Amino acid sequence: DVKVTQSSRYLVKRTGEKVFLECVQDMDHENMFWYRQDPGLGLRLIYFSYDVKMKEKGDIPEGYSVSREKKERFSLILESASTNQTSMYLCASSFGTIQDTQYFGPGTRLLVL
Amino acid sequence: AQSVSQHNHHVILSEAASLELGCNYSYGGTVNLFWYVQYPGQHLQLLLKYFSGDPLVKGIKGFEAEFIKSKFSFNLRKPSVQWSDTAEYFCAVFTGGGNKLTFGTGTQLKVEL
Repeated sequence: DVKVTQSSRYLVKRTGEKVFLECVQDMDHENMFWYRQDPGLGLRLIYFSYDVKMKEKGDIPEGYSVSREKKERFSLILESASTNQTSMYLCASSFGTIQDTQYFGPGTRLLVL
Repeated sequence: AQSVSQHNHHVILSEAASLELGCNYSYGGTVNLFWYVQYPGQHLQLLLKYFSGDPLVKGIKGFEAEFIKSKFSFNLRKPSVQWSDTAEYFCAVFTGGGNKLTFGTGTQLKVEL
């Protein structure tokens, strides 16, 4: 079974802090994704990566950056956290082409105070 | 920009009732279509997908969906729901033009005993 893990299930940070969310997949998938999930808005793509050191902006990249130094790890960085970044963050990975089935992690619920 | 509409935000059914959840998208080209499901406390996971061929696709747990190209729709159906189908259901569409998966806003299904 594909396993996608995220470093924290719950996180509480203060406004202005730098926040790192880590995601690791164990199936040698080429593609990795970061989404945020908000009630009534569904999932919105923040960034994705189709190879090591490669990244593409999604629909809502503002206020976020990403890093993919190793194939299995994809990090989401909030440079200066703000209250409107309080959300559930989901990481996903997929094998082969970008349109293939995505496998999701358990999510990190981030609260920015 | 492509968009995905799920018209039913909350659905409440009794066990054994039939289910149909609507999904419409706005894109005229080739699409790959997905339904994902998130059971309470669990990861988002694939329910079924359509890439090509027979427009009626079958997924896990007795779910099926029909791709109707002329209506830009991919509705999810199940003839007889169970209490364990209580979950949030997301329709998602991949288009080559956007090179990313776009999710609908989700439908919360509650099945009552």
